[in-house]
Amino acid sequence: GIQVEQSPPDLILQEGANSTLRCNFSDSVNNLQWFHQNPWGQLINLFYIPSGTKQNGRLSATTVATERYSLLYISSSQTTDSGVYFCAVDPFNQAGTALIFGKGTTLSVSS
Amino acid sequence: DAGVIQSPRHEVTEMGQEVTLRCKPISGHDYLFWYRQTMMRGLELLIYFNNNVPIDDSGMPEDRFSAKMPNASFSTLKIQPSEPRDSAVYFCASTPTGTSTEAFFGQGTRLTVV
Repeated sequence: GIQVEQSPPDLILQEGANSTLRCNFSDSVNNLQWFHQNPWGQLINLFYIPSGTKQNGRLSATTVATERYSLLYISSSQTTDSGVYFCAVDPFNQAGTALIFGKGTTLSVSS
Repeated sequence: DAGVIQSPRHEVTEMGQEVTLRCKPISGHDYLFWYRQTMMRGLELLIYFNNNVPIDDSGMPEDRFSAKMPNASFSTLKIQPSEPRDSAVYFCASTPTGTSTEAFFGQGTRLTVV
């Protein structure tokens, strides 16, 4: 099956710093989403981005489907950005539309 | 819409007991998914439904696990009998059919089997 690899696994930042999280996937995908799991365990939708670039406030994401990777940019990080960031893909060759998750990047932002 | 609604939020039960987790998907969504999250295995797909019909249950770990979707607005995941290794957070998600297949997750049920 498709492999989804996220890097780095852990990231520690000072408040105000910028960061880039990466998601590599091993096969073509119909869909790619980025989620933030906050310290309370909720999975928050950040981006639905099978291709192209999107921005939402301090966050932006870019997916280059032909090269099988996606990047999540966090600018001017805040302590509330702490948590785990997941990339999830819906493989092109899979019947149906279930998301396969990477292992996540754990982000800790300190003040 | 209130989003995907799961209940209960927390469940503590004794080994051997039956556990039933519930999910109400977003109205109009055709797909419903059950995921399990553990430290060891991360987020893994257990089963999913399309138009109330189970499509892929290959992720269901054992026969002790079963899931149903009797109608478009309700699904259950049942574990009978429960074991301590079933302790995890169980998420339900739904997604529409069409151009945008963005998935939305419920708040999860944290299950502890003692």
